[in-house]
Amino acid sequence: AQSVTQLDSQVPVFEEAPVELRCNYSSSVSVYLFWYVQYPNQGLQLLLKYLSGSTLVKGINGFEAEFNKSQTSFHLRKPSVHISDTAEYFCAVSDLRGGATNKLIFGTGTLLAVQP
Amino acid sequence: DSGVTQTPKHLITATGQRVTLRCSPRSGDLSVYWYQQSLDQGLQFLIQYYNGEERAKGNILERFSAQQFPDLHSELNLSSLELGDSALYFCASSSSGRTTDTQYFGPGTRLTVL
Repeated sequence: AQSVTQLDSQVPVFEEAPVELRCNYSSSVSVYLFWYVQYPNQGLQLLLKYLSGSTLVKGINGFEAEFNKSQTSFHLRKPSVHISDTAEYFCAVSDLRGGATNKLIFGTGTLLAVQP
Repeated sequence: DSGVTQTPKHLITATGQRVTLRCSPRSGDLSVYWYQQSLDQGLQFLIQYYNGEERAKGNILERFSAQQFPDLHSELNLSSLELGDSALYFCASSSSGRTTDTQYFGPGTRLTVL
């Protein structure tokens, strides 16, 4: 079965510092990978997605992620964070086993806490 | 604003009751998904509809049911509610339901069962 592991439940970081949020997945088939962000009291917003092609994916708000097939990872990075980046970040895979369905399997989330 | 609307925003009810959550997808989107976010289970896929027909089922309890209407809005019905059903319920929509589609999430309905 497919699964997603987000190794850190919380990542504290100072403003303007770089950050990496880790995501590993487990799957016996090819996957599509996503990062979503959830701001307090809001729904989820797509940051970026990997479908195929270049393994370095650039998203919104200065975030990027690198797909590493050999390490089954899809870590999210930002070179310099802002207070406004404080939010919960979810890594997800698209379950491709079911054919035409597009259900997402989410990790447990990482709370990015940016401190001044 | 994702363009996906959900009502109500908050719902407080008692055990044993039945509630209906409503979702309107983005204009033009044919596929609707329901997810449950709870502290112990995290974010879990419940069910997907495409153009009125059920496309996929996840960890949805038998007490829960959903449907998508001809105008493409969807409703999630939760019955015989238990304390453990307290959670944030998200609806998402996508244009066609293909695996490459981006899912756009609504703001959620927070259900509290007392």
